[in-house]
Amino acid sequence: GAGVSQSPSNKVTEKGKDVELRCDPISGHTALYWYRQSLGQGLEFLIYFQGNSAPDKSGLPSDRFSAERTGGSVSTLTIQRTQQEDSAVYLCASSPRVGEQFFGPGTRLTVL
Amino acid sequence: DAKTTQPNSMESNEEEPVHLPCNHSTISGTDYIHWYRQLPSQGPEYVIHGLTSNVNNRMASLAIAEDRKSSTLILHRATLRDAAVYYCILRKTYNTDKLIFGTGTRLQVFP
Repeated sequence: GAGVSQSPSNKVTEKGKDVELRCDPISGHTALYWYRQSLGQGLEFLIYFQGNSAPDKSGLPSDRFSAERTGGSVSTLTIQRTQQEDSAVYLCASSPRVGEQFFGPGTRLTVL
Repeated sequence: DAKTTQPNSMESNEEEPVHLPCNHSTISGTDYIHWYRQLPSQGPEYVIHGLTSNVNNRMASLAIAEDRKSSTLILHRATLRDAAVYYCILRKTYNTDKLIFGTGTRLQVFP
C-alpha cells in the first residue's frame, strides 16, 4: 500500500520567506510526527499529533515554526521568515494507534 | 529522557554477523528499547523493539541484557544493503510517542 508521502521533495527559498511543507500519512494512522535532520546530524523531534489530543509542540525550535493537521489526516508544517539555519531535511512519520513509525522520504529545504 | 550510548561507527564484511551495541544504563522499568536504521538519502525505518526478552524478526535479533542496561542488535548475515546508520532509542511505551534520536552507529559493509 501507499506509504507516507511528502511534498515538495525539494524546496529552495530565500531568507525571510515563508514555506509550507506537506505530509500525507498512511491512511488510518492516528499519530503523525515531524522531525528535521540538518546536514550530517541526527534527527530532531519537532511536533507530534495524536488523534484529537492537543499536539506535543515541545520540539519546535522557535515561534516561527507551526504545524497543523486537518481532519486527522494531512499535516502542514509552516516555517515563517525562514533563516539559513532552517536548512535541513524535514521528515514526517505516521503510526497506527500502537506500533512503529513509518517515515516519509522527506523534504529537503534550502534557505539561501 | 533516558539516554543511549552507541559507537560512532562499525565495519563488517558481507555475509558476516554484526553485533551493534547500545548502552542505556539509566533505563527505567517502563522503557522499551527500539532500533531504527536510516539508509543513505532515506527516512529512518523500524528494525526491531523489545522490553525484557530477546526478540527475533525477519530483519534482525535483539539481545537485551538481564539488567536491561545494555542491548545488542544482531544482523545475522550482513549485506551491502545493510549499510546504514543504526539508532538505538528508548521509548516510554510501545504506543505512540515521539522518538528521541541519538547520533547512532554508522555501519559500513565491505564486499
